[in-house]
Amino acid sequence: EPEVTQTPSHQVTQMGQEVILRCVPISNHLYFYWYRQILGQKVEFLVSFYNNEISEKSEIFDDQFSVERPDGSNFTLKIRSTKLEDSAMYFCASSSGTPRRDTQYFGPGTRLTVL
Amino acid sequence: GENVEQHPSTLSVQEGDSAVIKCTYSDSASNYFPWYKQELGKRPQLIIDIRSNVGEKKDQRIAVTLNKTAKHFSLHITETQPEDSAVYFCAALRPTGNQFYFGTGTSLTVIP
Repeated sequence: EPEVTQTPSHQVTQMGQEVILRCVPISNHLYFYWYRQILGQKVEFLVSFYNNEISEKSEIFDDQFSVERPDGSNFTLKIRSTKLEDSAMYFCASSSGTPRRDTQYFGPGTRLTVL
Repeated sequence: GENVEQHPSTLSVQEGDSAVIKCTYSDSASNYFPWYKQELGKRPQLIIDIRSNVGEKKDQRIAVTLNKTAKHFSLHITETQPEDSAVYFCAALRPTGNQFYFGTGTSLTVIP
């Protein structure tokens, strides 16, 4: 069964550094998402992406964040200048259609630790 | 925006007993409510969902009920088994946009 994959599984970085988290969505899916989960807290929506552009973003997704689909398979989340509070698990997800119509499939997550 | 509250945060049941997890939501316009199961070290997986035009949905040992008037929905697991042990998340989706609002999760432990 196809799965969403994410790399790396764990990323450690220094405060102020840029990080890029990578995701490979399921191949025929058209909608892509990033979520984050700070330890012990809720899963929070960051952004959705469709047709090569951001379709929706939350207030968390400020100018420090960006997403890109650089080729036909990868979907990346970039954090330009990491802060301590960016430490969290980041999940990528994809769906074939809109979330109210089709299931979102999650990746295994990337644990980001900012020191 | 939407706010989803989930209770309890931890739940322990004996194998074979039932488990119930409840979520409340604030936006009466929300119309889609999925439940995700996340086993330790694994990805969240959709286990059941319900739309606002129905009051109950069942899939084998798992059921979800929705009370639109009270703005709450519940996950019911019957005849629990040790492999049901996981963290369960509820979520709500508003009719416009693609943003899910998640609950804080319930850690379910089924004691053999």
